[in-house]
Amino acid sequence: ETGVTQTPRHLVMGMTNKKSLKCEQHLGHNAMYWYKQSAKKPLELMFVYNFKEQTENNSVPSRFSPECPNSSHLFLHLHTLQPEDSALYLCASSQDRRRGEQYFGPGTRLTVT
Amino acid sequence: GQQLNQSPQSMFIQEGEDVSMNCTSSSIFNTWLWYKQDPGEGPVLLIALYKAGELTSNGRLTAQFGITRKDSFLNISASIPSDVGIYFCAGHGRSGGGADGLTFGKGTHLIIQP
Repeated sequence: ETGVTQTPRHLVMGMTNKKSLKCEQHLGHNAMYWYKQSAKKPLELMFVYNFKEQTENNSVPSRFSPECPNSSHLFLHLHTLQPEDSALYLCASSQDRRRGEQYFGPGTRLTVT
Repeated sequence: GQQLNQSPQSMFIQEGEDVSMNCTSSSIFNTWLWYKQDPGEGPVLLIALYKAGELTSNGRLTAQFGITRKDSFLNISASIPSDVGIYFCAGHGRSGGGADGLTFGKGTHLIIQP
């Protein structure tokens, strides 16, 4: 595997379900990010992790819970989501949080029913 | 929150034509980046710019970091069918502090007419 991978690629979940999104980067980077991409809106930053420590939470509702066990892996735990949370969730990584060059995974297309 | 103004929103061009798109901001950024996104995929980094006035090329793509550090443009020369997609500008390192993440424009949808 190379670059940034995300699983699953597609996810359908009910509002009462709990699910997790996984991201793994094979680039030796130290910073990882979650973004949300909704139709007709710019990509929105959700969370930033630098050397496993969360450095930014962009006012994200608590029904989204990130986890970064090491510099290569990032999770987004989901529970009691709303239909408006349906979107493409993108993971990215960079050498560290000071570097602007971020490399994205293919995303997880999430549908909340 | 902070947004970048990207234009045009969409472009309908003929194969072989040159393309130009731009991005402006009310804030100064330390880095400007351009990405391309194909359907069902994540954005792919095309060009990164680090200095005001910098002009950088990547094959048929040329991008410039504006002198004021509040704008950037991307040119594509001699467009080909595989250039179809959505192009995003992004800023990083907003002057005065701010997010470690990227601030994105809404994208320019490039469509090539047969």
